[in-house]
Amino acid sequence: EAQVTQNPRYLITVTGKKLTVTCSQNMNHEYMSWYRQDPGLGLRQIYYSMNVEVTDKGDVPEGYKVSRKEKRNFPLILESPSPNQTSLYFCASSSAQDRERYGYTFGSGTRLTVV
Amino acid sequence: KQEVTQIPAALSVPEGENLVLNCSFTDSAIYNLQWFRQDPGKGLTSLLLIQSSQREQTSGRLNASLDKSSGRSTLYIAASQPGDSATYLCAVHGGSYIPTFGRGTSLIVHP
Repeated sequence: EAQVTQNPRYLITVTGKKLTVTCSQNMNHEYMSWYRQDPGLGLRQIYYSMNVEVTDKGDVPEGYKVSRKEKRNFPLILESPSPNQTSLYFCASSSAQDRERYGYTFGSGTRLTVV
Repeated sequence: KQEVTQIPAALSVPEGENLVLNCSFTDSAIYNLQWFRQDPGKGLTSLLLIQSSQREQTSGRLNASLDKSSGRSTLYIAASQPGDSATYLCAVHGGSYIPTFGRGTSLIVHP
């Protein structure tokens, strides 16, 4: 089944403790992206990647890092999480060649709480 | 910069009503427009995608239309059911790889 898989689904952590949220897609998509969703603010893009070893900042990149060493994986790293990073996070992917026909596929989300 | 607006922000209707959700965008140079459904705290499920060359798409009780020249799309839900209660988001995909999302319409269908 074609899908975007995020792990973990839920995470509670303490301020300053480094964490990684994984994202993997099995559709050979070139484009991958991370979003956070907060009440009243909608979906905001954190980082995106056009292909392996190519990443770029979105609208709210501060406090986050990403890497794209393999096409299928796009982990989101919080080096020193803070309470204002408590949010619902989504990973998405899309094919560069077929995006007109197929659009974007989203993961199920990761609910992160930083205390 | 592309801007996407969804109206209304919230909607509450009795079961069985036909309803229309609206999405407008400012830049008509788009590849496609995608409608998503999101249940509370859950992921985004793609409902319909309309390519720029298409006028509408249908899936079951859902029908989405696209008018690029006027920068508008509508999602029509026929014979609404309580299970349709969710937030509906539209996303516009333009020349870059970055989709622009609306804030969504929160729909409640009460029995």
